[in-house]
Order: sequence, then C-alpha cells, then structure tokens
Amino acid sequence: GQNIDQPTEMTATEGAIVQINCTYQTSGFNGLFWYQQHAGEAPTFLSYNVLDGLEEKGRFSSFLSRSKGYSYLLLKELQMKDSASYLCAVRDSNYQLIWGAGTKLIIKP
Amino acid sequence: IAGITQAPTSQILAAGRRMTLRCTQDMRHNAMYWYRQDLGLGLRLIHYSNTAGTTGKGEVPDGYSVSRANTDDFPLTLASAVPSQTSVYFCASSDGETGELFFGEGSRLTVL
Repeated sequence: GQNIDQPTEMTATEGAIVQINCTYQTSGFNGLFWYQQHAGEAPTFLSYNVLDGLEEKGRFSSFLSRSKGYSYLLLKELQMKDSASYLCAVRDSNYQLIWGAGTKLIIKP
Repeated sequence: IAGITQAPTSQILAAGRRMTLRCTQDMRHNAMYWYRQDLGLGLRLIHYSNTAGTTGKGEVPDGYSVSRANTDDFPLTLASAVPSQTSVYFCASSDGETGELFFGEGSRLTVL
C-alpha cells in the first residue's frame, strides 16, 4: 500500500532551526509537496520538489532524495507564528496526492 | 479575489438528513477536489473532478456524491448523513501546472 510517514509532534525554541522529516512509499512518484496548516485554518502551499536536492525559499527549505523515499522541511530562525501542522504529500503515478497525517510543530519562547 | 469559497463554515446535522456543502472558485482552475480531514489522519480524498462535466471517486467516496456542471462550482452532497461523516471538509482546486492545491477555508460538519 501507499504510505507517508512523518512525526506526529515536534517542539522547538523560538529562533532555532527545526527539521521535519517525511518518508514515503508510493506507487510511482511525480513530486512531493509541503503544506502548512494553522489550527482551524486551511492548508497553504509551502514547497514543491520533483528533483533531488534542496529548494530554498526564505526561512524555509525542502530537500528530496527520491532513491531513499525521503524528504525534509527545514525551518530556520523560528518564529512563534511558525507553530502549525506541516503536511507532507506525494503525487503518485496516477497524479493523485497521498497525504501524511501531518507534524504538529510547537514553538516555545 | 476570493479564491475558493465554501459554505456553510459550520453545521450540525441530524443523522439521516441530506446535506450539500457548496464550493465555488473564481480562479478558473480545471481540477477540483473534496477532502475530509480527521484528527490523526491525513487528508483523504472523497471525490475529484479534472474538468467540468467529469467526476471521479477518491479514497473514501461512499456516502458522498458530487457534480461539476460548470468550471466554478463543485458541490458535495451527503444523501443520508451518518455520525462517521462528522469531519472537517475541505474543497480545493489546482492549476494543473505544478499541481499546487488551493484550499477553501473548510466546512466543519457534525452529525448527531
């Protein structure tokens, strides 16, 4: 079956760096997405990786290794507003998105 | 620009009642989706539509139906609601280029 694994919850300190991992097993691969979802709100797009390597966008970076079925989202200079759930999703060979359950990130002062 | 609008934002419904969740987008996206989100689970696809006039079943379609009469509207109907359909429902659309999804604000449905 298809599976996306990411930690349920992580805690980090304001100003620090945190890495949220995502491993996947899917029928084919046509890209990996990271979304941010604040409590009670809709998910919003953060990043998209289809080739191996690091994509940097401001304080957020996303890395992909297709051979390892692995990605991570790196958040630098953490701010309190970064407290949210981070969702990893993989687009399979049928171009359908398979979603992880999300990682709840708690930022402490 | 509104993006995607869902209605109602919240609803409490008696089991056995019929309910339609509305979704309208103004981005002229071809693809639209309905997801449900439950605590501890990832977003699960209920139904999708790749273009006006076509629909398809997702991972959890039972008890739900959709229609896509035009590009902008994609309503989701629960013919006879059951308590297991208590969830937060998100409508989304994508532009087909990167496949990035744009989500509505969600509809919180409670079936008693």
